[in-house]
Amino acid sequence: QVQLVQSGAEVKKPGSSVKVSCKASGGTFSSYAISWVRQAPGQGLEWMGGIIPIFGTAKHAQKFQGRVTITADESTSTAYMELSSLRSEDTAVYYCAREDGTMVRGDNWFDPWGQGTLVTVSS
Amino acid sequence: QSVLTQPPSASATPGQRVTISCSGSSSNIGSNTVNWYQQLPGTAPKLLIYSNNQRPSGVPDRFSGSKSGTSASLAISGLQSEDEADYYCAAWDDSLNVWVFGGGTKLTVL
Repeated sequence: QVQLVQSGAEVKKPGSSVKVSCKASGGTFSSYAISWVRQAPGQGLEWMGGIIPIFGTAKHAQKFQGRVTITADESTSTAYMELSSLRSEDTAVYYCAREDGTMVRGDNWFDPWGQGTLVTVSS
Repeated sequence: QSVLTQPPSASATPGQRVTISCSGSSSNIGSNTVNWYQQLPGTAPKLLIYSNNQRPSGVPDRFSGSKSGTSASLAISGLQSEDEADYYCAAWDDSLNVWVFGGGTKLTVL
């Protein structure tokens, strides 16, 4: 059973960057997409982007264009999400999740999820 | 404003049945399958229903999902106190090229 374990909470200054890691264990890593989803305090879920480690190419939501970098290291079964030019509105819990299902994205689902990483942006 | 529309709250007493709706469009629910996630207080979301109506191993059969056109729904029968959580629907959007979520429904067991 695959498990995703994320790095710990971060406190960052506005304008800085944060890099969150997501390490997979207990299953296949490279051939499944890993997505990043964030949740602002008291708010809903928002997809940021994802990567299929074996292909190495990441896709992200237009909203985060130019600010988010998603990478993966197959040798350590770890995915990373770096968000730059942080502002207070980026304060949120950031989750990684494995995208399971078929080769057709519209037929997939997220399972499992990491435990979440709280990123607080404050001066 | 979420792309998928859910009621912000729902409530029922133990043992009752509750239904949560999720409304989308032709580019998301109308074209792709719907998944439901349960988020217990202070925890990460957990897959509850996938591919419109499939339950992962370990999810009780009290939970069921359905989809018709551009809408989907989650039904919970025999409601229990531990079902008190936030529930989110999700689908891939072919036009936006992103995963879209509903705003979440907070279920209260009275």
